[in-house]
Parts: sequence; C-alpha cells; structure tokens
Amino acid sequence: DVKVTQSSRYLVKRTGEKVFLECVQDMDHENMFWYRQDPGLGLRLIYFSYDVKMKEKGDIPEGYSVSREKKERFSLILESASTNQTSMYLCASSFSELMNTEAFFGQGTRLTVV
Amino acid sequence: DQQVKQNSPSLSVQEGRISILNCDYTNSMFDYFLWYKKYPAEGPTFLISISSIKDKNEDGRFTVFLNKSAKHLSLHIVPSQPGDSAVYFCAAIGMNSGYSTLTFGKGTMLLVSP
Repeated sequence: DVKVTQSSRYLVKRTGEKVFLECVQDMDHENMFWYRQDPGLGLRLIYFSYDVKMKEKGDIPEGYSVSREKKERFSLILESASTNQTSMYLCASSFSELMNTEAFFGQGTRLTVV
Repeated sequence: DQQVKQNSPSLSVQEGRISILNCDYTNSMFDYFLWYKKYPAEGPTFLISISSIKDKNEDGRFTVFLNKSAKHLSLHIVPSQPGDSAVYFCAAIGMNSGYSTLTFGKGTMLLVSP
C-alpha cells in the first residue's frame, strides 16, 4: 500500500513564526504536491515537485516555499505565518507524468495560526 | 477562473437510493478525470476515474459517466449507504507550467441517512 505520511495532524503556531510541514512517501514516487483545503474553496495547489531539488509554483504559492532535498520528502515552509494561512494542508504523491493515474494523499495537517 | 465546478455544495439521500454527484469543467484539454472521497480530518482517498476516450466506468456501487461534448461528468452511487457520507471531490488532470497536475472542484458534501 502506498503510504504518504505528514509529520503532524494538528499544529498551532503564532503569527510571524516560521513553520515547517513535512511529508514523506514510501513508494518511490517522482511527483509530490502540496494543497490546502478551505471550506467552500476545495483543494488548491500551492507547490509541486517533479524531481529532487525541483519545484514549480501552483495556483496559490504566495507566502509559501518548498524544499525537496530527497526523493521521498517534500517540505512546505511558511516563512512568516499569518492568520489567513490557517487551513488544512494536504500532501500528495504520484508516479511520474500523472497521466491516467491517481495521486495518493496524506492524512492532512490542520494548521491554526493565532 | 474555476476550471472544475461542482455546483452543488451538498446533497442528501436516503439509504438504498441512488446518489448522483455532478461536475462540470471548462478546459477542453483535460483528458482524465477522477473522483476522491474525503472524511473530516482525513486526506482524500481515490474512488474512481475515467479517461476521456470512455463515456462510462464502473466499479461496484460506483459508476462515473463522462459527456465530453457537454464537458460534464457525474458519479452515481447505487445503492447509497450511510458510510458513503463524506465530501466528494471531482478532479481533472491538466497541464501546469508544462507539467500535469490535478485540478479539483470545490466538493459536494453527501449525507446518506438511514
């Protein structure tokens, strides 16, 4: 079974803090993605990566950065957390070229910024 | 501009009846579509998919129909069960910065009552 593991289920951080969300997958997938889910807005793509040290902006990258130093690990970084970044964050991975195949999701991290 | 639209935020159905969840898309370059199911505080799980070369795909109680000319797809669940109560996301594979990514709709919350 594919396993995508996010390091925390729940996080509470203060405004202005630097926040790291970690994601690890065990299926040797090339592709990894970070989404956020908000009520009424669905899942929106923040950043994605198709290879080690490679990153591409998604639809809403502002206020975020990412790091992919190893194939199995993809980190999302909030440089200076703000209250509008309170959300459910979802990491996903897939085989290369995401054609005719699905992405597998982690269990999510509920981040609250106070 | 929203490329994948789920216009019904919620749907209530009685156990044993059919649930029909609808999805529309605007990008004619989408060629693969997926449905994900999500319980609260968990990550989405893949349910069923369909390629644009097909108009129907069936898996047990779940059937997805695709009408390419209308840019419309639907998920049928028959018979519906209380355990099907969840948020259902429609997603499409399209190109982002030259790479294929998943674009999601806003989701439809299905409630199946006993």
